Amino acid sequence: KAGVTQTPRYLIKTRGQQVTLSCSPISGHRSVSWYQQTPGQGLQFLFEYFSETQRNKGNFPGRFSGRQFSNSRSEMNVSTLELGDSALYLCASSDSGRNNEQFFGPGTRLTVL
Amino acid sequence: QKEVEQNSGPLSVPEGAIASLNCTYSDRGSQSFFWYRQYSGKSPELIMSIYSNGDKEDGRFTAQLNKASQYVSLLIRDSQPSDSATYLCAVILSGGYNKLIFGAGTRLAVHP
Repeated sequence: KAGVTQTPRYLIKTRGQQVTLSCSPISGHRSVSWYQQTPGQGLQFLFEYFSETQRNKGNFPGRFSGRQFSNSRSEMNVSTLELGDSALYLCASSDSGRNNEQFFGPGTRLTVL
Repeated sequence: QKEVEQNSGPLSVPEGAIASLNCTYSDRGSQSFFWYRQYSGKSPELIMSIYSNGDKEDGRFTAQLNKASQYVSLLIRDSQPSDSATYLCAVILSGGYNKLIFGAGTRLAVHP
């Protein structure tokens, strides 16, 4: 099976702009989770989608949002970008249900200038 | 107290030795535990999952879980220079669906 794919791999934006990142899970996986990784805060959970519904949300401001489509592909959006949003954004997919193994995509490296 | 704690390292071991990586967690109700390996500039790669007390072995890797002590560890036997990476412990807290809580990671360096 093909792994998790994320596009784009790299992005450079300026403060105040918005950005949309895309994730395609492993075929057959219905759960998609998003994480932010920074040197200072490490890996932090953003949100999880399952069957097009947000099932869990981390402690991030409302500028961070996401959605999932009927084919399980997911997008996350960050509006009004701040310098501190510069990070590696990772998407992970897993089988349906709870407590299943999650497999990460290669990530999108976002730089905010 | 952080929810998942790891020593940041670096942990330096000679080639061929056993590397022992440790992790503690705060939520006694946690049910699912994972070890990921992350090479510099790459995304995390799942190495092991463990859900029950005791040991789970997969090749050169052994995960150990002790829920009473809220402690999970990863042993790497016959360590190789290619094992040099950051190892991340991750826990799903009780009621957390697929929300992984990560430790800060332990950097492992295996020297020839």
